[in-house]
Amino acid sequence: AQKITQTQPGMFVQEKEAVTLDCTYDTSDQSYGLFWYKQPSSGEMIFLIYQGSYDEQNATEGRYSLNFQKARKSANLVISASQLGDSAMYFCAMREVVSNKLTFGGGTRVLVKP
Amino acid sequence: SAVISQKPSRDICQRGTSLTIQCQVDSQVTMMFWYRQQPGQSLTLIATANQGSEATYESGFVIDKFPISRPNLTFSTLTVSNMSPEDSSIYLCSVEYRGTETQYFGPGTRLLVL
Repeated sequence: AQKITQTQPGMFVQEKEAVTLDCTYDTSDQSYGLFWYKQPSSGEMIFLIYQGSYDEQNATEGRYSLNFQKARKSANLVISASQLGDSAMYFCAMREVVSNKLTFGGGTRVLVKP
Repeated sequence: SAVISQKPSRDICQRGTSLTIQCQVDSQVTMMFWYRQQPGQSLTLIATANQGSEATYESGFVIDKFPISRPNLTFSTLTVSNMSPEDSSIYLCSVEYRGTETQYFGPGTRLLVL
């Protein structure tokens, strides 16, 4: 069974600073995918970034980067140059390759201060 | 990425009634999923909507309570039957395209049961 753990229920970050959101996972699968989603107060789930278990390079998408440490089973999200619009819930998720199912962590609420 | 719409965007319903939520995608997708997000919680997969056949339900979810249809590759419905206040949640559909591992989410349906 998979398990995704996000240990930070909430974080404050100063505008223009970087913030790291922690995510650890547990799986016996050799092949899997890791995702980060953003959920603003409107409720929609916005896909941010993806990392495959066999990808050797850390994924980057604009201001988002994923610090993937496979041996430690961690997939931390780094948001650089935080903006007020980054205030939201952030969810880490893992996908089983065979079943296509996504399992989500508990989420981290980020509040960017001006 | 997909253009995904959900109807209704929100609703307030009386206990004992049923609500059908629609999910429409702008192009053909291979996989469609339905999730529930209870207040203050993470997302939980209800079922995988299979085109032309019965949905595949996760543990704790049954067809009598959450009947799902997927008549074609771009449309699915989720019905929340015989509602109780415990069914108050955000319901989200997601889709996955052939050849990708990323799930894209619809805007969600906020349901309040009184």
